Amino acid sequence: GDSVTQMEGPVTLSEEAFLTINCTYTATGYPSLFWYVQYPGEGLQLLLKATKADDKGSNKGFEATYRKETTSFHLEKGSVQVSDSAVYFCALSPNQAGTALIFGKGTTLSVSS
Amino acid sequence: GAVVSQHPSRVICKSGTSVKIECRSLDFQATTMFWYRQFPKQSLMLMATSNEGSKATYEQGVEKDKFLINHASLTLSTLTVTSAHPEDSSFYICSAFRDTLNTEAFFGQGTRLTVV
Repeated sequence: GDSVTQMEGPVTLSEEAFLTINCTYTATGYPSLFWYVQYPGEGLQLLLKATKADDKGSNKGFEATYRKETTSFHLEKGSVQVSDSAVYFCALSPNQAGTALIFGKGTTLSVSS
Repeated sequence: GAVVSQHPSRVICKSGTSVKIECRSLDFQATTMFWYRQFPKQSLMLMATSNEGSKATYEQGVEKDKFLINHASLTLSTLTVTSAHPEDSSFYICSAFRDTLNTEAFFGQGTRLTVV
């Protein structure tokens, strides 16, 4: 079945450092790909998404490109801030009506000043 | 943007009692909603798919008699944890897709359940 593999954390960075969180997927069809962010004690917020190959999702300085050839959707940010500290989830939607998202295990990011 | 509202955000209950969690889509209709459970420092585990007007579909290993799901309208799904025990303590999150192509899911704020 479809699955998402996400790099293990935690990731600890200093402010203004470059961030990469790796995400790869397996899917039989043509999925949409997402990054969600979760702050402590809260639900998930959509960070960015891409619905087809070569699409680049971007938001708040974060970017991820849907790479079908490498089945990847790595999250990047050029300069992280303390406020970016959160848990990041890579997710896949098989784009079938009534089918839930499939999540990676999540990566905890801690940014220190 | 589309909003999914979940209530309550926190609840503490005694062992043996039941707790109801509500999930509402505020500005769109959702024929399908999803209930997840999240253990500390772990990912979201899909518990069940809630279908408006019909029975929920439960994932393997999830007790349907303990986690009762009702989806009586296109904007409301409820999860009732019956005869709660301390091991049911967890973070429960609901979500719904706004469109039929499942291109974006919206999540409730989550409910922190503590059973004492």
